[in-house]
Amino acid sequence: EAQVTQNPRYLITVTGKKLTVTCSQNMNHEYMSWYRQDPGLGLRQIYYSMNVEVTDKGDVPEGYKVSRKEKRNFPLILESPSPNQTSLYFCASRGQDTYEQYFGPGTRLTVT
Amino acid sequence: GIQVEQSPPDLILQEGANSTLRCNFSDSVNNLQWFHQNPWGQLINLFYIPSGTKQNGRLSATTVATERYSLLYISSSQTTDSGVYFCAGGNYNQGGKLIFGQGTELSVKP
Repeated sequence: EAQVTQNPRYLITVTGKKLTVTCSQNMNHEYMSWYRQDPGLGLRQIYYSMNVEVTDKGDVPEGYKVSRKEKRNFPLILESPSPNQTSLYFCASRGQDTYEQYFGPGTRLTVT
Repeated sequence: GIQVEQSPPDLILQEGANSTLRCNFSDSVNNLQWFHQNPWGQLINLFYIPSGTKQNGRLSATTVATERYSLLYISSSQTTDSGVYFCAGGNYNQGGKLIFGQGTELSVKP
């Protein structure tokens, strides 16, 4: 089944403890991105990647890192999480021939 | 940047009723999608519709790109249609980044 997967789906952590949210797609898509969803602010793009080893900042990149060493994976790294990074996170991907994006199931992160 | 305005913000329907959700864009977009966010938070693709009209069962969508708006029609609504509906659009020159509207929260009562 063609899909975007994220792990973990739920995570409660403490301020300053490094964490990684994984994202993987099995559709051979070149483009991948991360969004966060917050009440009243909607969904906003954090980072995106046009292909392997090519990443760029989205609208709200502060406090996040990404890497794209393989085509299928695009992990989101929070080096020192803070409470204002409590949010619902989505990974998305699309192929080169279309701009239709497919979203993962979401990761609900709480930083205390 | 592009701004996306959705209306209405909230909608309550009786099961079986029809509805129309609207999405206005402040600038031209090359790509446009409609999503349904279910109660579990998952974003479900409904339509990829930068222009024209598409139908999928009880749902259909129309985008008039020249006038910068899109409509989502839900016919014979069911309780499982409840949730938040988002439209999102963007331009090719931004790598296809999607700008999301604030959503329409739909509640279908039995």
